[in-house]
Amino acid sequence: QKEVEQDPGPLSVPEGAIVSLNCTYSNSAFQYFMWYRQYSRKGPELLMYTYSSGNKEDGRFTAQVDKSSKYISLFIRDSQPSDSATYLCAVSGNEKLTFGTGTRLTIIP
Amino acid sequence: DAGITQSPRHKVTETGTPVTLRCHQTENHRYMYWYRQDPGHGLRLIHYSYGVKDTDKGEVSDGYSVSRSKTEDFLLTLESATSSQTSVYFCAISEGGEGDTQYFGPGTRLTVL
Repeated sequence: QKEVEQDPGPLSVPEGAIVSLNCTYSNSAFQYFMWYRQYSRKGPELLMYTYSSGNKEDGRFTAQVDKSSKYISLFIRDSQPSDSATYLCAVSGNEKLTFGTGTRLTIIP
Repeated sequence: DAGITQSPRHKVTETGTPVTLRCHQTENHRYMYWYRQDPGHGLRLIHYSYGVKDTDKGEVSDGYSVSRSKTEDFLLTLESATSSQTSVYFCAISEGGEGDTQYFGPGTRLTVL
């Protein structure tokens, strides 16, 4: 079993829709959770950072962590074509990050 | 890209040849990492460094070696490149510590024929 599982998609939604991206993880010791966004042929960039359970909101983006079910989510409201990218979840443990495989998202104008 | 450069950005080489990729940072961060990214596998850690001359293996270290003689430079060497090492390689840096975020370079696209 992989430490972090993520549906690779691809996922296509119309502009303005709410997008939900999800990951599951296996090790209950993880405390730090991140979402990275990666545009085509670019390096990943940190989008959201969450410690332990709960929600964190930043503009149109909300990161949610449910440690009881080992489930992490990223919600994008009022999606825009500029949100088209691959989104990678990551969990932090032992000073290393473990990444999901990434979900490729396309927002259709 | 948080003061991180990678060179070369693209390279095509032949099986059996040695290849060295360079990562250079201007942030004075203690930790540096090398990842490879492949379809269906996501980002996988090859090696990392937690200080000058201090390195350790990651998840997919076979066939790779690293060196760090200065804080700002982290080199990844493929001693004898194989076609299975065709990939996109990313360098990342962080200040270190549990939960610390990593910042990524622009990547090097390597093709081994």
